[in-house]
Amino acid sequence: KNEVEQSPQNLTAQEGEFITINCSYSVGISALHWLQQHPGGGIVSLFMLSSGKKKHGRLIATINIQEKHSSLHITASHPRDSAVYICAVLAYGGSQGNLIFGKGTKLSVKP
Amino acid sequence: GAGVSQSPRYKVAKRGQDVALRCDPISGHVSLFWYQQALGQGPEFLTYFQNEAQLDKSGLPSDRFFAERPEGSVSTLKIQRTQQEDSAVYLCASSLGLRDILYYEQYFGPGTRLTVT
Repeated sequence: KNEVEQSPQNLTAQEGEFITINCSYSVGISALHWLQQHPGGGIVSLFMLSSGKKKHGRLIATINIQEKHSSLHITASHPRDSAVYICAVLAYGGSQGNLIFGKGTKLSVKP
Repeated sequence: GAGVSQSPRYKVAKRGQDVALRCDPISGHVSLFWYQQALGQGPEFLTYFQNEAQLDKSGLPSDRFFAERPEGSVSTLKIQRTQQEDSAVYLCASSLGLRDILYYEQYFGPGTRLTVT
């Protein structure tokens, strides 16, 4: 079983829909990252959080440490949001640089 | 300002060849990370530097993989005697990462896509 599981693996939405991507992890963590990866490989860090909720524009990330679960929400989705969204955690006890990544959720937003 | 850059962006190597992949981190970033991403998978940790010190190399898959950062800035990931299973995108990231790097975001480069034929 992977230490970081994301769902769904693939998601197709119509423009304007509210989108939720989920991340569950099985290890104790110091922080959790949500990353966006566009075709061609470039990765952009969207959020880094260790508790509560963060919001940036149409993106919202939440984390529940007790339940070991995080969600990424996209409001009013747009075709330019189409990308792979990756959850990654920084585990307690491991190397400070050793992120554990989920396999990603491929999002496609149709106009 | 300039982000993390990697070169080459694409590399095709014949099986058995040695390759060297370069990463230029953001100026002033102390920590540097290398990741390997196979097709359709999430990235996997390879190694991490704090300045010139390689603090964790537990993710390097074999002794054919070697990374260095001799002056604490540019880093090179070298793969000797490449095999087909080495084909992947190699991502580099850097962070400001001072004494406690747990709370510093990582900034990723565009990656080098290595194809071993």
